[in-house]
Amino acid sequence: GNSVTQMEGPVTLSEEAFLTINCTYTATGYPSLFWYVQYPGEGLQLLLKATKADDKGSNKGFEATYRKETTSFHLEKGSVQVSDSAVYFCALRAGTASKLTFGTGTRLQVTL
Amino acid sequence: EPEVTQTPSHQVTQMGQEVILRCVPISNHLYFYWYRQILGQKVEFLVSFYNNEISEKSEIFDDQFSVERPDGSNFTLKIRSTKLEDSAMYFCASSGVGANTGELFFGEGSRLTVL
Repeated sequence: GNSVTQMEGPVTLSEEAFLTINCTYTATGYPSLFWYVQYPGEGLQLLLKATKADDKGSNKGFEATYRKETTSFHLEKGSVQVSDSAVYFCALRAGTASKLTFGTGTRLQVTL
Repeated sequence: EPEVTQTPSHQVTQMGQEVILRCVPISNHLYFYWYRQILGQKVEFLVSFYNNEISEKSEIFDDQFSVERPDGSNFTLKIRSTKLEDSAMYFCASSGVGANTGELFFGEGSRLTVL
């Protein structure tokens, strides 16, 4: 079946540090890939997406590139801010299925 | 900007009671979903709904759960007889485009606490 594996958290970084959150997937067909973010006390918001191999999704300084050869969609940001503190979820939609399959989420804590 | 709205934001209930969680999806969307997130755990798919019927459901979505779109705007999740392990945040989502690539828009969630 389809699955998403994310790096374990929490990840604690100082402001302006470089961020990488690893995400790999297993899926049949050619999935679309997503990163969702959940700020404290809020729902899930789409951060970025990529729908085919080699696409790069980007938003708010975050980027992720759809790598079919490594089945990965790692999230990166060059310089994190305290306001980026949240839980980040990698997710996929595969084939004709309409549901999203989520990873376990990675909590990011950014400190001054 | 259109958004998915959910009510109540928090409900406390006794074990064995029925609970109905309500959602108003984005108005021109066609696909509707319920997910849940037990505290500290991953977001789990429960059910998807399209064209007035369930299109997919997970093993979590047993006979105690049901969904309904009673009036063309609300989308409800009913739990007939709640159990302690139903305590979770329940997220409604909707999407408007083709099944494979359309973004899911999530509500802010309804927190259910079963005592």
